[in-house]
Amino acid sequence: SSELTQDPAMSVALGQTVRITCQGDSLRTYYASWYQQKPGQAPVLVIYGENTRPSGIPDRFSGSSSGNTASLTITGAQAEDEADYYCNSRDTSYKHLVIFGGGTKLTVL
Amino acid sequence: QLQLQESGPGLVKPSETLSLTCSVSGDSISGSTRYWDWIRQTPGEGLEWIGSIYYSGSTHYNPSLKSRVTISVDTSKNQFSLNLNSVTAADTAVYYCARLTWAGSVVSYDYWGQGTLVTVSS
Repeated sequence: SSELTQDPAMSVALGQTVRITCQGDSLRTYYASWYQQKPGQAPVLVIYGENTRPSGIPDRFSGSSSGNTASLTITGAQAEDEADYYCNSRDTSYKHLVIFGGGTKLTVL
Repeated sequence: QLQLQESGPGLVKPSETLSLTCSVSGDSISGSTRYWDWIRQTPGEGLEWIGSIYYSGSTHYNPSLKSRVTISVDTSKNQFSLNLNSVTAADTAVYYCARLTWAGSVVSYDYWGQGTLVTVSS
């Protein structure tokens, strides 16, 4: 099966911009979706498709993709953005298999 | 507003069967063209897809768990369920049910249950 690779941890200064990446062969076929997870809570979808935000997600969250890499960008990070971020897509060998990245722990300084 | 709620025992003995149910409100499983999934997260670790069920009853499972997993649906109760047999301590995790939307090249989980911690211990 395919894998999705994320940096385990990143940090960003309050108000600055951070790009979280997700790499994997499946991203040449499928868009990544992105989830924010805070401690003790379920993941929340923040970006899906080419760059679509569900209702209620701030517009400082945006997504992009190039080749085998998908990116989640937070422009003007806020303290409440400190969380774990996960990407996911389908496996290209077994299309019904959903795969997740290992997650990126984002610290807002 | 769609809501999903997991229910089931929080403690399961090794070698026994873990059974969870997800109750769905605000959407009809039988009328939905979406998949209904189970996902788990081991303490301090990432997310692992367990499997999917379509309203028709067709299922798909993670190959790593396929021999031990059964997902079923009860459209009359608007619920779907997970059975994982022969559990070990490695199956201790928070189990989530979630709605999967698959549109072309996009797959996303737009609604999640709050998760339920299942501990495997004697």
